[in-house]
Amino acid sequence: GAGVSQTPSNKVTEKGKYVELRCDPISGHTALYWYRQSLGQGPEFLIYFQGTGAADDSGLPNDRFFAVRPEGSVSTLKIQRTERGDSAVYLCASSPNRGETQYFGPGTRLLVL
Amino acid sequence: GDSVTQMEGPVTLSEEAFLTINCTYTATGYPSLFWYVQYPGEGLQLLLKATKADDKGSNKGFEATYRKETTSFHLEKGSVQVSDSAVYFCALSEGAAGNKLTFGGGTRVLVKP
Repeated sequence: GAGVSQTPSNKVTEKGKYVELRCDPISGHTALYWYRQSLGQGPEFLIYFQGTGAADDSGLPNDRFFAVRPEGSVSTLKIQRTERGDSAVYLCASSPNRGETQYFGPGTRLLVL
Repeated sequence: GDSVTQMEGPVTLSEEAFLTINCTYTATGYPSLFWYVQYPGEGLQLLLKATKADDKGSNKGFEATYRKETTSFHLEKGSVQVSDSAVYFCALSEGAAGNKLTFGGGTRVLVKP
């Protein structure tokens, strides 16, 4: 079956611009996670959705970052006023339910110039 | 808070050599432990997991045993192949924390023919 998909695969933007990153989880998966992976480091947790609600957003670095999952399926990570330090690979993962194995998408590589 | 520490790479081995990657963790409760692998040009894949003390996870010839007394989850493989060249990430999750994954920094393994 189809895995987790993320679009775009690459995004180049200029400092100060707004970007949206999309995640399509595996069909039927109720839990969805966003992580950020900087070069040479392990992924870091950003936010977790159970259904439509953000159950834990403690990993969002500041109020420029926001994510939604309005229908409990597709999720969008939104970054306002991008900074060069936001450059990283943004990973999305989904699991059938909370506590089950997380399946990762290929990531969106964001470069802020 | 929770944390994972794993040996830094790169680790360079010859084909058929024995591989060990050390991983230790700090957690407030009783986490589940994971090894994820990232092959060149691909996304993160779950390699193996263990959910309670003394459990052994295994897959593709790799093994890791959950050692609560030493808070460790070392990854081993008896005879590596060139195709095992990848970056390996140790991770933990705790139910009380929404099962978000906390990753180590990753260990790059290069197997030479």
